[in-house]
Amino acid sequence: QVQLVQSGAEVKKPGASVKVSCKVSGYTLTEVSMHWVRQAPGKGLEWMGGFDPEDGETIYAQKFQGRVTMTEDTSTDTAYMELSSLRSEDTAVYYCGSATYYYDSSGYYSHDAFDIWGQGTMVTVSS
Amino acid sequence: SSELTQDPAVSVALGQTVRITCQGDSLRSYYASWYQQKPGQAPVLVIYGKNNRPSGIPDRFSGSSSGNTASLTITGAQAEDEADYYCNSRDSSSNHYVFGTGTKVTVL
Repeated sequence: QVQLVQSGAEVKKPGASVKVSCKVSGYTLTEVSMHWVRQAPGKGLEWMGGFDPEDGETIYAQKFQGRVTMTEDTSTDTAYMELSSLRSEDTAVYYCGSATYYYDSSGYYSHDAFDIWGQGTMVTVSS
Repeated sequence: SSELTQDPAVSVALGQTVRITCQGDSLRSYYASWYQQKPGQAPVLVIYGKNNRPSGIPDRFSGSSSGNTASLTITGAQAEDEADYYCNSRDSSSNHYVFGTGTKVTVL
């Protein structure tokens, strides 16, 4: 059974960094495209970034450029999301999600979807 | 960057049909995917591509698209369908992704 299991809740002070992990089971990290999405309390979902197989690179939402780093350890099938210079507005639940990409009969990109999600990690930023 | 706009809330009587819409320029180029989220839980994919349902998603959920609008329809809504629903697609001006503003569905 395919699963994404995230690390536990974190409490950080403003200006600190947080690193959230997401362990893959049921398949290997090299077989998926991992993305990160966050949700502030009472708010909607916000895409932060992820691996784009079209370009073979990790892409980040402009809002988080320079503050977020997404990495992978294929030896342990674990993905990481590190967010630095934390502020109170970063208080949120952070989700990892694996995307499946679909291609047409000619091999061109057709569509994708975030089909498997981690359980979420609550990050609280407070002095 | 693109935006995807959804109605904040809709209500539907038990067993009736409800359609949730998502509007945005990127939907002229990309399919939307749809996610159901219940309080305190992670999102769950319910519709992707032209109109595909992952294994385990009831066939009362369906998707469609026209121009800059994507729609999620629940035909014969059940009490367990009460949740927040989000659309998602790629941004047509980049390879980035954007989520819709979300729609809270209440089943009466």
